[in-house]
Amino acid sequence: QVTLKESGPVLVKPTETLTLTCTVSGFSLSNAELGVSWIRQPPGKALEWLAHIFSNDENSYCTSLKSRLTISKDTSKSQVVLTMTNMDPVDTATYYCARIRGGTGPDYWGQGTLVTVSS
Amino acid sequence: DIVMTQTPLSSPVTLGQPASISCRSSQSLVHSDGNTYLSWLQQRPGQPPRLLIYKISNRFSGVPDRFSGSGAGTDFTLKISRVEAEDVGLYYCVQATQFPHTFGQGTKLEIK
Repeated sequence: QVTLKESGPVLVKPTETLTLTCTVSGFSLSNAELGVSWIRQPPGKALEWLAHIFSNDENSYCTSLKSRLTISKDTSKSQVVLTMTNMDPVDTATYYCARIRGGTGPDYWGQGTLVTVSS
Repeated sequence: DIVMTQTPLSSPVTLGQPASISCRSSQSLVHSDGNTYLSWLQQRPGQPPRLLIYKISNRFSGVPDRFSGSGAGTDFTLKISRVEAEDVGLYYCVQATQFPHTFGQGTKLEIK
């Protein structure tokens, strides 16, 4: 059974750095056919793709947020970590991680974690 | 970046009637490998998104056959043959042909 679970702080202050962890089970992060993406959704707004990491540790980032994002993984722990620097209230959103299978797209999603940015 | 544009943004539908959502990309989604990586997601209220359709027209595991996808190049359509109450929610197209992946704005399906 494939599962993904996001974890991290529910509240961060402006200018702080957000660190989110996606813990996966039911598949290996070393599987060449699979990768993991982070996607966010501000309250009442659309989905926004943020970052992706491949099995070989290569990555890709949202153009507009590239300077603030870092994605990494620890295969032995089955975890994918996203850091976002210089948080702002506009970054308040539910953050999701999703498994990406080549050719299929985002086939499994975590439940999401709501992060609020406020002083 | 590829821009994905969905229409309509809101779709009131009568139960049992069909529904259709369009998605247009700002450039062709045909990958160099010949595939077109266009997917459709459903997001029910308070839930994470769920994959419905991948590579234009392939239903994901467990997706009812009343959902179908079609299209090519830059124009794609999601159709629901007979809307049921559980279909209420947001629908998104997403392209995975090119990084960064990009989503449409979402279409809200509601019952009249």
